[in-house]
Amino acid sequence: GQQLNQSPQSMFIQEGEDVSMNCTSSSIFNTWLWYKQDPGEGPVLLIALYKAGELTSNGRLTAQFGITRKDSFLNISASIPSDVGIYFCAGQETSGSRLTFGEGTQLTVNP
Amino acid sequence: DAGITQSPRYKITETGRQVTLMCHQTWSHSYMFWYRQDLGHGLRLIYYSAAADITDKGEVPDGYVVSRSKTENFPLTLESATRSQTSVYFCASRWDRRLNTEAFFGQGTRLTVV
Repeated sequence: GQQLNQSPQSMFIQEGEDVSMNCTSSSIFNTWLWYKQDPGEGPVLLIALYKAGELTSNGRLTAQFGITRKDSFLNISASIPSDVGIYFCAGQETSGSRLTFGEGTQLTVNP
Repeated sequence: DAGITQSPRYKITETGRQVTLMCHQTWSHSYMFWYRQDLGHGLRLIYYSAAADITDKGEVPDGYVVSRSKTENFPLTLESATRSQTSVYFCASRWDRRLNTEAFFGQGTRLTVV
């Protein structure tokens, strides 16, 4: 099956720092999604990307759909304590409805 | 309330018992999914359904059974629970298969098999 490699697995940063995480795939995706999961909750969609090269922002979050369609990154600027959680990337193939998820990046923000 | 709800939120069961996790959505979304979340594995797809009475296997379907007699409900049954099925289970729904439709997740069910 498809594999999504998400890195880093965990990050410990100080409040105010910028954060960057990325996902790479062994296959081409037509959609990249970034989700955040708070403790005890289900994942919530942050950003959706539908075109290769697309750069999309949502407040302090910026994500890009790689030109090769096999990678994506998420940046968080000026981190705050409520950014703590697990961030997942997910990709969808050319056809079908299934999403493949990365293993997640656990973000800890120290005040 | 509108949305996607899972029940129960927490469940402890014994090895060999049958247990059913419930998922209900109020949006009339066509697609529904069951994922399990384990440390180091992210979210892995167990089963999904494109519509009522249409289901298909995902990445890790062994030991699980699903049904979808009504659009709004998608129960997941562990026929004979094993300790390896201890996990957090998430249900999700999506309007249709198009690329630009978001998947919404429930709050999860934490299942412990002892």
